[in-house]
Amino acid sequence: QKEVEQDPGPLSVPEGAIVSLNCTYSNSAFQYFMWYRQYSRKGPELLMYTYSSGNKEDGRFTAQVDKSSKYISLFIRDSQPSDSATYLCAMSGGTSGTYKYIFGTGTRLKVLA
Amino acid sequence: DVKVTQSSRYLVKRTGEKVFLECVQDMDHENMFWYRQDPGLGLRLIYFSYDVKMKEKGDIPEGYSVSREKKERFSLILESASTNQTSMYLCASSAWTGEAYEQYFGPGTRLTVT
Repeated sequence: QKEVEQDPGPLSVPEGAIVSLNCTYSNSAFQYFMWYRQYSRKGPELLMYTYSSGNKEDGRFTAQVDKSSKYISLFIRDSQPSDSATYLCAMSGGTSGTYKYIFGTGTRLKVLA
Repeated sequence: DVKVTQSSRYLVKRTGEKVFLECVQDMDHENMFWYRQDPGLGLRLIYFSYDVKMKEKGDIPEGYSVSREKKERFSLILESASTNQTSMYLCASSAWTGEAYEQYFGPGTRLTVT
């Protein structure tokens, strides 16, 4: 079993939809949770991060952590075609160290105009 | 803004060649990382460095070595390139912000070994 699981998609939504992207994990020691956006043939770009449980909002993006369920989500409101990309979750903590991140395989999102 | 640069965007090498991939960051970050990214396998950590001249193996170090002689520069070396090392190579750097280790990536080097 992988430490971090992420549905590869692709996930196709119409423009303006609310998108929910999710990751599950098995290591209860993870405390830091990050979301990256990666456009085709580019490096991942850090979107936002949360520490431990709770929500964090940044513009159209909301990151949510549910440690009891070992489940994290990224919500995108009013999705735009420019949001079409692969979204990677990453997490760290515990014996793997706080600066070494474990990545999901990414979910490919397509927002249709 | 943090900037991580990689020496090449695209590289084509022959089997058996020694390959050097260079990475430079301009934000005085302590930690630097090399990953490879393959379809269906995601990002896999090859090596990381938490200080000058310090390095630790990641999950897939076989066939690779690294060098960090200066804080801003982290090099990945493929001692004898093989076709199964054809991949996207990503360099990253990170530092503690007071809340978390924010990790930033370079644009990637797409290496093809023929």
